[in-house]
Order: sequence, then C-alpha cells, then structure tokens
Amino acid sequence: KQEVTQIPAALSVPEGENLVLNCSFTDSAIYNLQWFRQDPGKGLTSLLLIQSSQREQTSGRLNASLDKSSGRSTLYIAASQPGDSATYLCAVRRLYNNDMRFGAGTRLTVKP
Amino acid sequence: DTGVSQDPRHKITKRGQNVTFRCDPISEHNRLYWYRQTLGQGPEFLTYFQNEAQLEKSRLLSDRFSAERPKGSFSTLEIQRTEQGDSAMYLCASSIRQGQDMNTEAFFGQGTRLTVV
Repeated sequence: KQEVTQIPAALSVPEGENLVLNCSFTDSAIYNLQWFRQDPGKGLTSLLLIQSSQREQTSGRLNASLDKSSGRSTLYIAASQPGDSATYLCAVRRLYNNDMRFGAGTRLTVKP
Repeated sequence: DTGVSQDPRHKITKRGQNVTFRCDPISEHNRLYWYRQTLGQGPEFLTYFQNEAQLEKSRLLSDRFSAERPKGSFSTLEIQRTEQGDSAMYLCASSIRQGQDMNTEAFFGQGTRLTVV
C-alpha cells in the first residue's frame, strides 16, 4: 500500500527566505510525482510533474527533485514571497493503478 | 477551454437528500478522476474514467455514490441519502492518455464544497 507523508505539516518563514518542503512515499513503483498548490477553499493548481525517470524539474523559483529509490521528493522554493502562502501537496501516481495518492500537505505561511 | 470546470461550487443539503455534481474536463482529456477532500487532509481517490468507461472505484465509494460519464465528456457524481459524514470538498481532475504514455499531468477543478446539515 502506498503511503505518502509530508513534513513539516506547517511552516512559517519570513519573506525572502529559501525553503524546502519534503515528501516521502513508501512504494517506489511509481509512474510520476506531481506537486500541487492549494489556496484555502480552492482546487489544486499543478506546479511541477516529475516523471519516474527524471531526477528534477524546475519552473521559475520552484525546483522539485525526485529520488525514487529512497522514496523522497523535495520542493525547493527560492526567495519566498507572501503570495506563496498556501498548502503544498505532493501526489504519486502508482504503477498498475490509475489513481494518485496524496500526502496531507504542508501549510506554508510567508510573512511580509 | 480554460480548464476543468465543476458545478456547483457550493452545495448545502439536508441529511437524507440526494445531490448531484457535474465536472467538465479539459476538452481533449480522455481520463477523468473524482476525489474527496476533508479539512486538513489530502484528496482521496474515489473513481476514475477512461473515456466513458469507469475503470476503477475506491472502497470509499459506497453504494450511495454513483458516477457516470455517458459520452466520454462531462461526468456526474451523485450521492444518495446524504449523511453528515459526506460533507467534504469533491474534486474532479482530468488528464490525457496517449498510447502507452501514462506520465501525463493531471489538472484539477475548483471543487464542489458539500455541506450536509
């Protein structure tokens, strides 16, 4: 059974700081891993998709890495801004299944 | 096409009533997913369609829940005899499968927030 864990559950940082969010999963048999952002009461916005054969993806100030063998992914946010405040979710798409398994998310607050 | 669309955005219903939600995926996407999310948790998988075929259902999807995608385009999720425990955000997502490539990005709608009173 695939379990996805995100640490920390909540994080508060001052504006401008670089930060790392962590995601771990128990079963390395995955197709891909996707990072999402969710604002309160809203749906999910896709940030980055990493294929199982890739080690990292970058988009603007965001960089996501994947170490499939150890069951870990990180989301690095550079030069954080108050507008980055949201909940960040990671999800893995498993081999031989068609669903995505989500972590509970990290709630990020960036203080001006 | 601006993305995945869900309707309604909010629904308040009395316990025991039936409710139906609609999802319109991105037009060329042949895969459609329903998820449920409760406060402070990540989304949980409910069911998935490829075109009009419902290929997978979670054990979370009790017999009070039914989902359809009759023409392989929009989908509906119906909950019969709602219970207070059904209160949650119901999220729809779509993606495209091309040949054997399953490594495609999933896009989510804004969700339908259901409150059962």
